[in-house]
Amino acid sequence: DAGVIQSPRHEVTEMGQEVTLRCKPISGHDYLFWYRQTMMRGLELLIYFNNNVPIDDSGMPEDRFSAKMPNASFSTLKIQPSEPRDSAVYFCASRGGGFTEAFFGQGTRLTVV
Amino acid sequence: AQKITQTQPGMFVQEKEAVTLDCTYDTSDPSYGLFWYKQPSSGEMIFLIYQGSYDQQNATEGRYSLNFQKARKSANLVISASQLGDSAMYFCAMREASYSSASKIIFGSGTRLSIRP
Repeated sequence: DAGVIQSPRHEVTEMGQEVTLRCKPISGHDYLFWYRQTMMRGLELLIYFNNNVPIDDSGMPEDRFSAKMPNASFSTLKIQPSEPRDSAVYFCASRGGGFTEAFFGQGTRLTVV
Repeated sequence: AQKITQTQPGMFVQEKEAVTLDCTYDTSDPSYGLFWYKQPSSGEMIFLIYQGSYDQQNATEGRYSLNFQKARKSANLVISASQLGDSAMYFCAMREASYSSASKIIFGSGTRLSIRP
C-alpha cells in the first residue's frame, strides 16, 4: 500500500481564494482524520470520519472550513475564503478498527498571502 | 474530556545516552490507548509505539519503550542509546475507547529532542 496520499504537497494562494486539500486514505481503513499543525497551536484535530460519516467536527475553526468524504477512498478539506491565519501544515490520517495507530500522509503546507 | 500534557518543550541529550520524554494524560474512560509519534525536520509523522490501558507489560519496540504508570496517568517514552537520527519532535497521543465505535486521537504539544554528537 502506498500509504495515505495527500495533494497538493504545497499550496500558495492569495487571501480570499478557495483552497481544496485532498486525501486518499489507506485502503480498508474506516477512520479518517484531518489535523492542522501550527507553531502556536500544535497539532489540532479538525474533523474525523467513520465509514465516510463525519463524527466530530468540533475542531473546525469556523464556517469557512468544510470537509467531505464522498466515498471510502477520498476526502477533501475546503477553505473558502482563505485567510493568512489559515497558513499551516494540514495532515490527513487514517486508521483501521480497534486500537490501531493512525497513519499520516505527508501533509499539505498551505501558505495564504 | 481527554487531555495530553507534555511539559518539556525541548531537550538536549548526548549521543548514546538514554533519554526519557514525559507525557501525562487525563481521561475518565477506563479503556484507552496511548501512542508516541516522531516528527523529524522533514515533517512526516512516524508512529513509534503503542500502549493499551489494560496491557500488563510496558510496550517495547527496539530502542523505544513506554514507561506506563497507570495510577499516575503517565506514559513516558524512553529511548535507549540515543542516536543523531533521533533528533526530532516527539508527540504523545491518546485515544479513548468510550462506548461508541468511533473515537478521536488527540496529541500533546510535543517535545523537541536534540542529540549532541
